[in-house]
Amino acid sequence: GAGVSQTPSNKVTEKGKYVELRCDPISGHTALYWYRQSLGQGPEFLIYFQGTGAADDSGLPNDRFFAVRPEGSVSTLKIQRTERGDSAVYLCASSSDGNPPREQFFGPGTRLTVL
Amino acid sequence: TQLLEQSPQFLSIQEGENLTVYCNSSSVFSSLQWYRQEPGEGPVLLVTVVTGGEVKKLKRLTFQFGDARKDSSLHITAAQPGDTGLYLCAGWYAGNNRKLIWGLGTSLAVNP
Repeated sequence: GAGVSQTPSNKVTEKGKYVELRCDPISGHTALYWYRQSLGQGPEFLIYFQGTGAADDSGLPNDRFFAVRPEGSVSTLKIQRTERGDSAVYLCASSSDGNPPREQFFGPGTRLTVL
Repeated sequence: TQLLEQSPQFLSIQEGENLTVYCNSSSVFSSLQWYRQEPGEGPVLLVTVVTGGEVKKLKRLTFQFGDARKDSSLHITAAQPGDTGLYLCAGWYAGNNRKLIWGLGTSLAVNP
């Protein structure tokens, strides 16, 4: 595809449920990032993949959050036992390899609402 | 602890006015980027500044990187309603090049 795509665009779930959010990065981009963004604020870093491995997962808020990228392309962010405080827009970005500064290309995000 | 402080947080101005957004830190960044985000979309890169003291111009937008590489500014001349959006600064931290450090953003509204 031409850009980063994320599915679903909107997800409404009930407190305590499990959700999966998917990210398709730009083809060939080895770096993939997940962010969480609240209304009117900047992205909050969650996790960074270089290839298949999580190079930095220091932003994951707790062990209910987990992300995978098994083949070094598509990534899934998994949230267990969702809480109302998890409601936010979850953004995915990808970039090419190499030394910074690198441009991160963002998807449109998945808006998660936990009722 | 917020490594990058952006100000102002909100700005509402009339079309044709000038404005400046600031991005400050006590830390040194190897480079700094400015992104713009519109509702329902992800941020889009506007510019990257790398050298201390660097000034870059993008049409009516002027970006400056501080001499010590700890701060940056975005100046918009003769703002237009199409400039409305969330402006974000993000830095590649000199101590950790694995991830961008993001500011909280400046929400700009330009009224016709």
